[in-house]
Amino acid sequence: QKEVEQNSGPLSVPEGAIASLNCTYSDRGSQSFFWYRQYSGKSPELIMFIYSNGDKEDGRFTAQLNKASQYVSLLIRDSQPSDSATYLCAWTGTASKLTFGTGTRLQVTL
Amino acid sequence: EAQVTQNPRYLITVTGKKLTVTCSQNMNHEYMSWYRQDPGLGLRQIYYSMNVEVTDKGDVPEGYKVSRKEKRNFPLILESPSPNQTSLYFCASRPKSSYNSPLHFGNGTRLTVT
Repeated sequence: QKEVEQNSGPLSVPEGAIASLNCTYSDRGSQSFFWYRQYSGKSPELIMFIYSNGDKEDGRFTAQLNKASQYVSLLIRDSQPSDSATYLCAWTGTASKLTFGTGTRLQVTL
Repeated sequence: EAQVTQNPRYLITVTGKKLTVTCSQNMNHEYMSWYRQDPGLGLRQIYYSMNVEVTDKGDVPEGYKVSRKEKRNFPLILESPSPNQTSLYFCASRPKSSYNSPLHFGNGTRLTVT
């Protein structure tokens, strides 16, 4: 079983809609979870991190963590064409390693 | 400006010709790491370093070497590159102490080995 599972997509949502991206992980020792956005050919950039159960909001983005069910999600409200990118979830269980999922490609259509 | 600088951005080479990809950060970060990114496989860690003179293998270290003689620099060395090392490479850094510190990524190096 992969350590971090993401649906590769593409996930297509119309402009203005809510995009919901999900990630499941296998290690119950996971400490913190990160969502990175990556445009094609560019480096990943951090959107949010979360380490406590529940929701964390930052502007149009909301991260949700459920450690009992071992999933973390990212909601993007009022999706814009500029949100079209690949979204990588990642987790860290030790100070030495950040494990990445394979990413979900999001397409926001006009 | 706080940044991680990788060079070169693009590199085309032939099988067996030794090469080095440089990485430098100006944020005084203890932790540095190299990743490769391949379609369908995501970002995979090659090597990491927790501090000067301390390096360790990640998930895919075969065919790579690293060194950490200075805090700011973490070069990736391919002694004898092979076509299966054609990939997009990223260097990243963060402070050692906190799990919650995000990784700062360089702009990437696209390597093609023919």
